[in-house]
Amino acid sequence: GENVGLHLPTLSVQEGDNSIINCAYSNSASDYFIWYKQESGKGPQFIIDIRSNMDKRQGQRVTVLLNKTVKHLSLQIAATQPGDSAVYFCAEGRGNTPLVFGKGTRLSVIA
Amino acid sequence: EPEVTQTPSHQVTQMGQEVILRCVPISNHLYFYWYRQILGQKVEFLVSFYNNEISEKSEIFDDQFSVERPDGSNFTLKIRSTKLEDSAMYFCASSIWTQRDTQYFGPGTRLTVL
Repeated sequence: GENVGLHLPTLSVQEGDNSIINCAYSNSASDYFIWYKQESGKGPQFIIDIRSNMDKRQGQRVTVLLNKTVKHLSLQIAATQPGDSAVYFCAEGRGNTPLVFGKGTRLSVIA
Repeated sequence: EPEVTQTPSHQVTQMGQEVILRCVPISNHLYFYWYRQILGQKVEFLVSFYNNEISEKSEIFDDQFSVERPDGSNFTLKIRSTKLEDSAMYFCASSIWTQRDTQYFGPGTRLTVL
């Protein structure tokens, strides 16, 4: 897989603004996708998932969009708060096979 | 709210030594997992475990690794002879029925091999 090394893409947003975090997935046969949040020193925390038969799903303050044509997934966070600061990464799954995780994006919220 | 717990939070060991990382999955979950995350890199799947046997394992999970469910609550990952490149965060996770169900991760064990 891709070796990201120590550098992660970073997104800086002002508190209260909306954030959009993107993910390109690799397997066109993947049929479900998950966004995780990982705060420093903690394990990944489930945020929201979406099945491949959908193109949009909304949760509390979060929306996931799926574009299967270009194998692209995005996570939108409304009214970003300081507590949203973390690394966000997507994972893709197919059938009952293990999840494949993408590289993360570091979200930094400026108060 | 139920959560996955892991011990220890940090393990330092000498190269060649054996380590056992411990996890207590959520009590009514049937599927268990170990993942590894080398600093700054992606989370990588190691192994899944269901019905007291390995369900799937990755290429990383070679003969140096083993998993066990020694009792009704614990799930362990053993590395027989640690190498420098085994240094990483190791996460345990569990899901209720299948790998498609939401996987809940523990806080991780940071393994440092010297």
